[in-house]
Amino acid sequence: NAGVTQTPKFQVLKTGQSMTLQCAQDMNHNSMYWYRQDPGMGLRLIYYSASEGTTDKGEVPNGYNVSRLNKREFSLRLESAAPSQTSVYFCASSRGLAGGEETQYFGPGTRLLVL
Amino acid sequence: GIQVEQSPPDLILQEGANSTLRCNFSDSVNNLQWFHQNPWGQLINLFYIPSGTKQNGRLSATTVATERYSLLYISSSQTTDSGVYFCAASPGYTGGFKTIFGAGTRLFVKA
Repeated sequence: NAGVTQTPKFQVLKTGQSMTLQCAQDMNHNSMYWYRQDPGMGLRLIYYSASEGTTDKGEVPNGYNVSRLNKREFSLRLESAAPSQTSVYFCASSRGLAGGEETQYFGPGTRLLVL
Repeated sequence: GIQVEQSPPDLILQEGANSTLRCNFSDSVNNLQWFHQNPWGQLINLFYIPSGTKQNGRLSATTVATERYSLLYISSSQTTDSGVYFCAASPGYTGGFKTIFGAGTRLFVKA
């Protein structure tokens, strides 16, 4: 049971380049999330997917797009990277069942540097 | 939207000491979680506690939902407890997955 996996672990981009961050979970969870964490700060929600086939904006969605490819996978795309998107990106998942415990389980993170 | 505030921002303890971390939230919540981020950046969930009290070893947490706060207790602290502790909350309505994190409490435990 790998839990939540993220690829790549580390990426350097030039301003204007695009890339997709991949996330997969093997816990049969319905809900998945993308966060960013800037140095010395808490996590901020970019997008979330309450269930397969749905996605919604979080606190800081500008400059990002997401795809819930299937129940296991949730990708985050930067179409035109900017230095302000330099951050550590975390993916998480939770059961996503009404009335149930919604503990979120996190992946190891992707460190992104935009030059 | 909901706001989450944590205190203190920084805490230095001698090994073996006890501590209490506080999380205040501005609106009713249906999800309240505590996480520990270790020095390598890994996020570990400690408690899912929208109300009531839970204990796990040397750690315990209490949430008083009606007064909009949660407390995390660390007893007999160890150097491995060092890191950042985050509180995270989601609003109290159906489909409330829009999670807001506090800024965290940075804990350093000295040997």
